[in-house]
Amino acid sequence: KAGVTQTPRYLIKTRGQQVTLSCSPISGHRSVSWYQQTPGQGLQFLFEYFSETQRNKGNFPGRFSGRQFSNSRSEMNVSTLELGDSALYLCASIWGGLQFFGPGTRLTVL
Amino acid sequence: QKEVEQNSGPLSVPEGAIASLNCTYSDRVSQSFFWYRQYSGKSPELIMSIYSNGDKEDGRFTAQLNKASQYVSLLIRDSQPSDSATYLCAVNRGAGNQFYFGTGTSLTVIP
Repeated sequence: KAGVTQTPRYLIKTRGQQVTLSCSPISGHRSVSWYQQTPGQGLQFLFEYFSETQRNKGNFPGRFSGRQFSNSRSEMNVSTLELGDSALYLCASIWGGLQFFGPGTRLTVL
Repeated sequence: QKEVEQNSGPLSVPEGAIASLNCTYSDRVSQSFFWYRQYSGKSPELIMSIYSNGDKEDGRFTAQLNKASQYVSLLIRDSQPSDSATYLCAVNRGAGNQFYFGTGTSLTVIP
């Protein structure tokens, strides 16, 4: 099976802009989680989707949102970007309680 | 108090030695425990999962869980330079798929 794919892999934006990141989970996996990883904070949970429904949400401001489509692909959106949003954004495909990460999207906010 | 705590290291061991990585968690209801390896510039890779008290072995890796002490560890036997990475401990409290990660321990295996 193909692994988790994330697009784009790298992104440079300026403050105030918005960004949309995409994730395609492993075929057959219906649950997807998103994480933000920064050197200072480590991996922080953003949200989890299962069958198009958000089941869990981390402690991030409302500027961070997501959705999941009927084919299990997921997108996350960050509006009004801030410098502190620069991070590696990781998507994980979940099956049987096990998480498998995609390669991530490296977002730089200037 | 953080959900999951790890010693950030760095931990250095000589090639062939046993590397011991430790993790504590705060919520007693946690049910599932995981170790991930993350090479620099790469995404985390799942290497071990453990659900019951005791030891679980997979090749050179052994995960140990002590729920009474809220403690999880990972032993890497016969450490190799290719084991040099950051090791992340993760915990699932069982309320769906919400995982909490430690900040990771950096391991360097010296040839």
